[in-house]
Amino acid sequence: SQKIEQNSEALNIQEGKTATLTCNYTNYSPAYLQWYRQDPGRGPVFLLLIRENEKEKRKERLKVTFDTTLKQSLFHITASQPADSATYLCALGANSGYALNFGKGTSLLVTP
Amino acid sequence: DVKVTQSSRYLVKRTGEKVFLECVQDMDHENMFWYRQDPGLGLRLIYFSYDVKMKEKGDIPEGYSVSREKKERFSLILESASTNQTSMYLCASSLFGAGNMNTEAFFGQGTRLTVV
Repeated sequence: SQKIEQNSEALNIQEGKTATLTCNYTNYSPAYLQWYRQDPGRGPVFLLLIRENEKEKRKERLKVTFDTTLKQSLFHITASQPADSATYLCALGANSGYALNFGKGTSLLVTP
Repeated sequence: DVKVTQSSRYLVKRTGEKVFLECVQDMDHENMFWYRQDPGLGLRLIYFSYDVKMKEKGDIPEGYSVSREKKERFSLILESASTNQTSMYLCASSLFGAGNMNTEAFFGQGTRLTVV
């Protein structure tokens, strides 16, 4: 069965450091992968999309890598701030086509 | 500003009631989705629709049905609410892009449903 795995343990880091979150998947042949941010009690908000032929994508302090050989994506937040504290979800298009399947998310806490 | 709007933020219903959760998007998106989110289980897809009057089962469709009579509106129906359907329900929409690739999904604010 298709699986998307994100580290279930919360990641605690100090302000100013780089946060790195991991997304591993099995039984997918994804054409793309997406990352979302979710704050408590709210719906997820899209951050970045990376295609299978792209190794790396950047947006301001965010960087995503996508290794289809390792079946893994890494999500980096550089110069992290307390406002970056949230749950981060990765998502893959289901092999059937239309739907997005989500990992369970990793909680990030950035302390001053 | 693009928007996905869910009809209720909080809802309390009794066991056995028929419950309607409404979702409207103003972006002319083809795809619409209903997910539920529970602690430790993440977002799970209930149903989705890729066109008006079209619907497809997701991973957990049992006990639910959907309706999409107009492109902008996607309704989730709990035929006979049960306590195990207490959850956060999230509606989303997306544009179906080229190369069989969905673009980003836009989510509503969520409906926290409690079935007592």
